[in-house]
Amino acid sequence: EIVMTQSPATLSVSPGERATLSCRASQSVSSNLAWYQQKPGQAPRLLIYGASTRAAGIPARFSCSGSGTEFTLTISSLQSEDFAVYYCQQYNDWPPFTFGPGTKVDIK
Amino acid sequence: EVQLVESGGGLVQPGGSLRLSCAASGFTFSSYSMNWVRQAPGKGLEWLSYISGSGSVKYFADSVKGRFTISRDNAKNSLYLQMNSLRDEDTAVYYCVSLYGSLFDSWGQGTLVTVSS
Repeated sequence: EIVMTQSPATLSVSPGERATLSCRASQSVSSNLAWYQQKPGQAPRLLIYGASTRAAGIPARFSCSGSGTEFTLTISSLQSEDFAVYYCQQYNDWPPFTFGPGTKVDIK
Repeated sequence: EVQLVESGGGLVQPGGSLRLSCAASGFTFSSYSMNWVRQAPGKGLEWLSYISGSGSVKYFADSVKGRFTISRDNAKNSLYLQMNSLRDEDTAVYYCVSLYGSLFDSWGQGTLVTVSS
């Protein structure tokens, strides 16, 4: 089973600032990595897949880089609606599908 | 518009059983693999189970293997999760999720299962 880790657990950022979230896989997942955003009381939604492709309707301020075992999600200028929990998930080798523990982005 | 609506959650005693349902609409249900994903209170996401579009292929997480069963009725556009031998640690919100390729592309709103005496 591929184990996903994320850092930091919590990131405090001021609106308008850049946020950088990290995700690491215990073995290579190639570019088969997705990011999900979850706001309080809501279901997660697909944000990015293929390590760098934004899902439909996701604004360009969200970008992702990396391949293999190290990935980074960057939010270039945080808007109020971006404060949420972000999960990475590998789909290179399944079952099982595995998620990281999440990074909470909150207001500084 | 894709809609996934879960139902069947509630309070159940340890060792008990519960059957979750997910009603799908807005897409050709039989063409899509489906999954159940859960989230314990204040915790992260845990994939539980997969079923192919025809229902012939099924996978389970080790944490629920032998206790949970996944099924679907394509004529009714419905997905099910039969949960037996429930434990305290099964307390969670359970999401029905469609798979597009290998992506968890559409999620229901979730149904809360509480296992407690």
